[in-house]
Amino acid sequence: DAKTTQPNSMESNEEEPVHLPCNHSTISGTDYIHWYRQLPSQGPEYVIHGLTSNVNNRMASLAIAEDRKSSTLILHRATLRDAAVYYCILRRQGAQKLVFGQGTRLTINP
Amino acid sequence: DTAVSQTPKYLVTQMGNDKSIKCEQNLGHDTMYWYKQDSKKFLKIMFSYNNKELIINETVPNRFSPKSPDKAHLNLHINSLELGDSAVYFCASSPKGGSGNTIYFGEGSWLTVV
Repeated sequence: DAKTTQPNSMESNEEEPVHLPCNHSTISGTDYIHWYRQLPSQGPEYVIHGLTSNVNNRMASLAIAEDRKSSTLILHRATLRDAAVYYCILRRQGAQKLVFGQGTRLTINP
Repeated sequence: DTAVSQTPKYLVTQMGNDKSIKCEQNLGHDTMYWYKQDSKKFLKIMFSYNNKELIINETVPNRFSPKSPDKAHLNLHINSLELGDSAVYFCASSPKGGSGNTIYFGEGSWLTVV
């Protein structure tokens, strides 16, 4: 499984946008970029995923670099409830599993 | 309605005991998983089943035995519990094991072996 690199931690303020970076320089053409997050004392939950084009959903936006070697998860207006560990995961086409890395611990200040 | 439910949520037991964690999903999914999150917070896959058939078996001791009586259930039985088995165990499911399919996780079962 191709590896991703994320900052260990980030901090932001409530009601401000948050940009969570992820590097994946060894990504292959069939790797999807997935983002999951884990709120305290809960199981991971799906946030968003994409292949080449930028993606938007009700939770977040995913901006994918043109060469696909990096991506950014964007939370448009952070709330306290967005404090969690965010995982950027590459998942090969047809792959059965998700391989989690260390993730980024996001702290939101009131 | 809870999509992926696990029981028990908390379990404290002595070394050497045998225990089971049950998991049920009401999403109609074909694929189910067990993940383990250790004290350092790393999440690792243990097993994956597709329609009751074992698909993934990562390097897990034989003391761990998953059982899938039907595609909505995947139980985890652990024999001869050791201190190092203390962790949070997450059950999960997805429509199929494809890269575009979302995986839905349960809330976790906190196992403490004393």
